[in-house]
Amino acid sequence: GENVEQHPSTLSVQEGDSAVIKCTYSDSASNYFPWYKQELGKRPQLIIDIRSNVGEKKDQRIAVTLNKTAKHFSLHITETQPEDSAVYFCAARNNNDMRFGAGTRLTVKP
Amino acid sequence: DGGITQSPKYLFRKEGQNVTLSCEQNLNHDAMYWYRQDPGQGLRLIYYSQIVNDFQKGDIAEGYSVSREKKESFPLTVTSAQKNPTAFYLCASSMRRAGRNERSGKLFFGSGTQLSVL
Repeated sequence: GENVEQHPSTLSVQEGDSAVIKCTYSDSASNYFPWYKQELGKRPQLIIDIRSNVGEKKDQRIAVTLNKTAKHFSLHITETQPEDSAVYFCAARNNNDMRFGAGTRLTVKP
Repeated sequence: DGGITQSPKYLFRKEGQNVTLSCEQNLNHDAMYWYRQDPGQGLRLIYYSQIVNDFQKGDIAEGYSVSREKKESFPLTVTSAQKNPTAFYLCASSMRRAGRNERSGKLFFGSGTQLSVL
């Protein structure tokens, strides 16, 4: 089955700086790669996703890049704000199931 | 997200007891999933179902059972064989396959059930 690895496990940045979280996956059949944000005690919320036929996608301050050859994808948050502080999960999906990375706890210091 | 409901929000299990977590969706999604989340950790897949009357084991299925008798419902039973059941359980649903439809593949989560052992 699919195996997703995520780094770093914790990330602390100053407000206004950029944050980058990286994930790798093992199953070359995976074709959908979402990113979720989870605040304490709440359900994960989809913030951006990318499909295997696209190399990059951007939504305001958030962008995701995908390198299918290397089987890795990254989340980029620019101009970080304190409300960006949360746990972020990457995931990879083939046609059957979705597997998640272990998560990155992002702290944005004001 | 609206349309997928988990209950109860909090659940306590006694030694040797089976407990069932409810998950209902009205999004007309074919696929449903159960994940377990331990404190400070990621989501681990317990079971998933792509279609009614069919389901597959995920990475940590031991000590759990599921059924999928209706499209809308995917209950999870935590059996007495699960020796460390304390965790946050999340149910999710999606369209069946991650195809070209922009909506397909996206997982929608319920609000979760916190299970604790008495």
